[in-house]
Amino acid sequence: EIVLTQSPGTLSLSPGERATLSCRASQSVTNNYLAWYQQKPGQAPRLLISGASGRATGIPDRFSGSGSGTDFTLTISRLEPEDFAVYYCQQYGSSPRAFGQGTKVE
Amino acid sequence: EVQLVQSGAEVKKPGESLRISCKGSGYTFTTYWITWVRQMPGKGLEWMGTIDPSDSYTKYSPSFQGHVTISADNSIATAYLQWSSLKASDTAIYYCATHYYDTSAYRNWGQGSLVTVSS
Repeated sequence: EIVLTQSPGTLSLSPGERATLSCRASQSVTNNYLAWYQQKPGQAPRLLISGASGRATGIPDRFSGSGSGTDFTLTISRLEPEDFAVYYCQQYGSSPRAFGQGTKVE
Repeated sequence: EVQLVQSGAEVKKPGESLRISCKGSGYTFTTYWITWVRQMPGKGLEWMGTIDPSDSYTKYSPSFQGHVTISADNSIATAYLQWSSLKASDTAIYYCATHYYDTSAYRNWGQGSLVTVSS
């Protein structure tokens, strides 16, 4: 069973700054099937990135994903006010699927 | 447009049974998997299990196996998550999400169903 560990737990930044979020897997993620989701209060999660680096439809290009194997990164190049939220990584290549514990960008 | 509409909030007592639903529209229901995700109050996302409606094949997280049942009724394009005996620790928001392959990220999500279990 793969365990995903996200860091930091909370990222305190200002609009316009760069955000770098980390997701580390306890074992290699099959085919780099690693996704990133954004969740705002009272809303369902929204898919940002799949396959470690592929932006989902309609996601602004300030969001980018990178990494492979066990180490993955979500980068938000310049934070917009609407980007302050909680971000989760998820592996969907092996069972059971797993989410990281989340990083709050405040 | 793919849409998932979930059933409304529920308040139940410990030991009671419950079934919540997730109705798909805008696509052929049997061609997409449906997954259920739990979010306890103030906590993160937890993967519970998934179903392929085309043949009702299901997979569960070990953490939820035996405590919940995932099913689907293709005639009404609806997936279900059910409990036979609720616990207070089942209090959470439950989301359904749909995806084309078993190994696909979750592009479409329901709005969530709040379940409160309290004596």
